[in-house]
Amino acid sequence: QSAVTQPASVSGSPGQSITISCAGSSFDIGAYDHVSWYQHHPGKVPKVIIFEVSKRPSGVSDRFSGSKSGNMASLTISGLQAEDEADYYCDAYTPRGTRVFGGGTKLTVL
Amino acid sequence: DVELLESGGGLVQPGGSLRLSCVASGFSFTMSAMSWVRQAPGKGLQWVSGISPTGGTTSYADSVKGRFTISRDNSMNTVYLQMDSLTAEDTARYFCVRVSGILLLFPMFHWGQGTLISVSS
Repeated sequence: QSAVTQPASVSGSPGQSITISCAGSSFDIGAYDHVSWYQHHPGKVPKVIIFEVSKRPSGVSDRFSGSKSGNMASLTISGLQAEDEADYYCDAYTPRGTRVFGGGTKLTVL
Repeated sequence: DVELLESGGGLVQPGGSLRLSCVASGFSFTMSAMSWVRQAPGKGLQWVSGISPTGGTTSYADSVKGRFTISRDNSMNTVYLQMDSLTAEDTARYFCVRVSGILLLFPMFHWGQGTLISVSS
C-alpha cells in the first residue's frame, strides 16, 4: 500500500478541466519540491508530464499543470481530450533517499 | 536517443533468485543515477531501488530491503537488480529508469520497456 494517496478514478467530458490530488505527509510530498507526475497509457512506458511540482518537460502540452501546497500536490488537466485517458501517478523524493509513488488515478474521458 | 534494455525476467519459484540487467545507451551513464520501478499486474507503479552514478549510494523500498541488491558496472553501461527470497508479491513488470542527474531526486524521464517477473510454484 502506498503512503501517498490519490483518488482511484476521476472523469470528465472533453473540454472540461479536472484535478487529481496526491496527498502525502511531511516525509514525502511535503518534504521537498521534487514531485513529478506521470501519464501512463496501458502497454506503454510512463511519461513525465510534470516535474519539480510545476515544470513541464519540452513537448508536453500546457494543458497540464502542477502545484503543491503543504503535503498535497495536484495535477490539473484543462481542455480534456480523449487522448488524455490514461493512468496518472505522482511521485516524490523523500528525506530517506527513496522515492514513493502515489497509488495512481485512472482518468476516464467521457 | 536514450535506450534502456532490460533482460533477465522470467518464471521463478517462491524463495528463488533472479538477476535483472539493464544495458543503457545514448547518454552519459556515469553521470546518471539509475532506478528500478515495478508494476504488479493490475496495480500501480512502485519504486523499488536506486543507485548513484558511482554505485556508492544505494536505496531501497522497505518491501524489498534486505532481499534485493542494486549494483552497476559503469564499464559496461549496465545496472543490475539481484532479487533473492522472491515471493508472489514480487510478481511484476520491472522497469529500468534513468534518473536525469547524479542525484536520485532528479526526474525520471527515460524508462525501459520493462521485463516480466513471475514468482509462482
